[in-house]
Amino acid sequence: ETGVTQTPRHLVMGMTNKKSLKCEQHLGHNAMYWYKQSAKKPLELMFVYNFKEQTENNSVPSRFSPECPNSSHLFLHLHTLQPEDSALYLCASSRERGSGNEKLFFGSGTQLSVL
Amino acid sequence: QKEVEQNSGPLSVPEGAIASLNCTYSDRVSQSFFWYRQYSGKSPELIMSIYSNGDKEDGRFTAQLNKASQYVSLLIRDSQPSDSATYLCAVKDDKIIFGKGTRLHILP
Repeated sequence: ETGVTQTPRHLVMGMTNKKSLKCEQHLGHNAMYWYKQSAKKPLELMFVYNFKEQTENNSVPSRFSPECPNSSHLFLHLHTLQPEDSALYLCASSRERGSGNEKLFFGSGTQLSVL
Repeated sequence: QKEVEQNSGPLSVPEGAIASLNCTYSDRVSQSFFWYRQYSGKSPELIMSIYSNGDKEDGRFTAQLNKASQYVSLLIRDSQPSDSATYLCAVKDDKIIFGKGTRLHILP
């Protein structure tokens, strides 16, 4: 496999459920990101990991919990979500956070619906 | 609040014509600028990056940057129906800020 892969592609969950999104990159990159994309809004940065260390939490509610066990894998654990959390969640990677040439490579995303 | 502004469109351009997409940004110290293309139902894909004033060409795409005017644009020559997508402008200082995107529709 190449690039950035995300699973699942679609997820429907109730507000009391717990689920996890998974992301894996095969590009040899050192930085990984979670973005949220809602209709008519710009991409919103949620979390950034650089060399497995979290470097950014963009005031994300605690019902979203990221995990980065190594530079190739990134998870987003979800619990007690709200309907307004329904969105496309995108994982991305780049060679290194903070470099001038911080080009993002995105996964295909998880379309999340919270009922 | 750092902002990146784009006209949401849709911008309709006849096939074979030049499509011109524009973006303005508020943070004067921004150093890196990117254009991403996002097809409907797909994820964004990087198509151009530019770091210094002037033009940068890659095939049918030309990115133009004017830091004094805080303005970056993307020109697509010989537009094709396959260019129909939403184009996201992204600007980086300490973090990458995206615009809402411009929907481009190439008319066959």
